[in-house]
Amino acid sequence: DAGVIQSPRHEVTEMGQEVTLRCKLISGHNSLFWYRQTMMRGLELLIYFNNNVPIDDSGMPEDRFSAKMPNASFSTLKIQPSEPRDSAVYFCASIPAGQSLGEKLFFGSGTQLSVL
Amino acid sequence: AQSVTQLDSQVPVFEEAPVELRCNYSSSVSVYLFWYVQYPNQGLQLLLKYLSGSTLVKGINGFEAEFNKSQTSFHLRKPSVHISDTAEYFCAVIANTGGFKTIFGAGTRLFVKA
Repeated sequence: DAGVIQSPRHEVTEMGQEVTLRCKLISGHNSLFWYRQTMMRGLELLIYFNNNVPIDDSGMPEDRFSAKMPNASFSTLKIQPSEPRDSAVYFCASIPAGQSLGEKLFFGSGTQLSVL
Repeated sequence: AQSVTQLDSQVPVFEEAPVELRCNYSSSVSVYLFWYVQYPNQGLQLLLKYLSGSTLVKGINGFEAEFNKSQTSFHLRKPSVHISDTAEYFCAVIANTGGFKTIFGAGTRLFVKA
């Protein structure tokens, strides 16, 4: 099976532009997590979904950020408008359906976002 | 709410020397504990986890960690490191009360020198 697939791998954009990051889950996985990694704050949980429903979005920094999971295998994280302080690596991770607590996260390779 | 503190942001060590990466957590409920490793330009991979039972947990690549409830710690150790162990290491927790919300520490960069 392919792993968690994120696209694009790298994104360079100008301040004020809309940015959309994409994530395709592993088949059979039903919990999805978006994390942001920066040098200053480490790995922060932005939002997580279970069965396409947002469970906890308390980590979403502000209204400029939005995430959707339109179906069981795909999610998007949108930033509109983008700002230089949004520059970071954004990771998507998932957990298989039917797993008990304590199951590991399966991570994608991340999207390196640079907002100029 | 849970939180994780990794006490060292960087740990330089010579090849074949032992290493310990420190992790302390805070939680009002019982937790499950994890160590993940991140190699350059890659996502995180699980090294080991503690759910219950023996407090000494062995993982991949010769790493082990010990859960100490009284000290709320979960330090990672390896008796002899290799150049290939150079990576960033993250400690993480999940509350065992339900949900899969995984909280990570800030990470420790292990740099193994020849």
